[in-house]
Amino acid sequence: GESVGLHLPTLSVQEGDNSIINCAYSNSASDYFIWYKQESGKGPQFIIDIRSNMDKRQGQRVTVLLNKTVKHLSLQIAATQPGDSAVYFCAETQGAQKLVFGQGTRLTINP
Amino acid sequence: DAGVIQSPRHEVTEMGQEVTLRCKPISGHNSLFWYRQTMMRGLELLIYFNNNVPIDDSGMPEDRFSAKMPNASFSTLKIQPSEPRDSAVYFCATNTRYNEQFFGPGTRLTVL
Repeated sequence: GESVGLHLPTLSVQEGDNSIINCAYSNSASDYFIWYKQESGKGPQFIIDIRSNMDKRQGQRVTVLLNKTVKHLSLQIAATQPGDSAVYFCAETQGAQKLVFGQGTRLTINP
Repeated sequence: DAGVIQSPRHEVTEMGQEVTLRCKPISGHNSLFWYRQTMMRGLELLIYFNNNVPIDDSGMPEDRFSAKMPNASFSTLKIQPSEPRDSAVYFCATNTRYNEQFFGPGTRLTVL
């Protein structure tokens, strides 16, 4: 999807809880999806990716789910830590070239 | 590996001045992307190169913007003349095909 304005969706969770960040993508022909984490003052940092021939992929404390039927992507973060506080972006692309970023979700971890 | 290197990290200039942003890609990465990030518009792709050749510049806002990649280890994004609405964070990212893009730390541009 495209960024449409000033206000990012926000998600607040307690430290130690699991968090789920959702993203709707726009292009049914997209074959590669990436989640990025952006901390204040830094560039986006790769978290995890998934190709369209998969519906789930797991990393360390993170899981990405892909539902191509409804063009939906989610990022699950297990046992959140203060360092997980950031803005999270999903991105879609064909062939890892022209990435289209979602608007981002701000995740805040409460102590 | 030092990652993607961008310079300067911060640039403050006056309207009408020329601005040049620089990027050194990760060695071996043959694709390079220039993005702009603002609160209003989020992350926008401006232009990207494959093997030093510009592939898609449809995101370049107007003729005041130009980008070059003279060799595999260097790219520039130039704004001439700069305007206050160009104020943003400009990111360079690089990758090899079918792999994730690695972003640099960005250049924060302020045009007064």
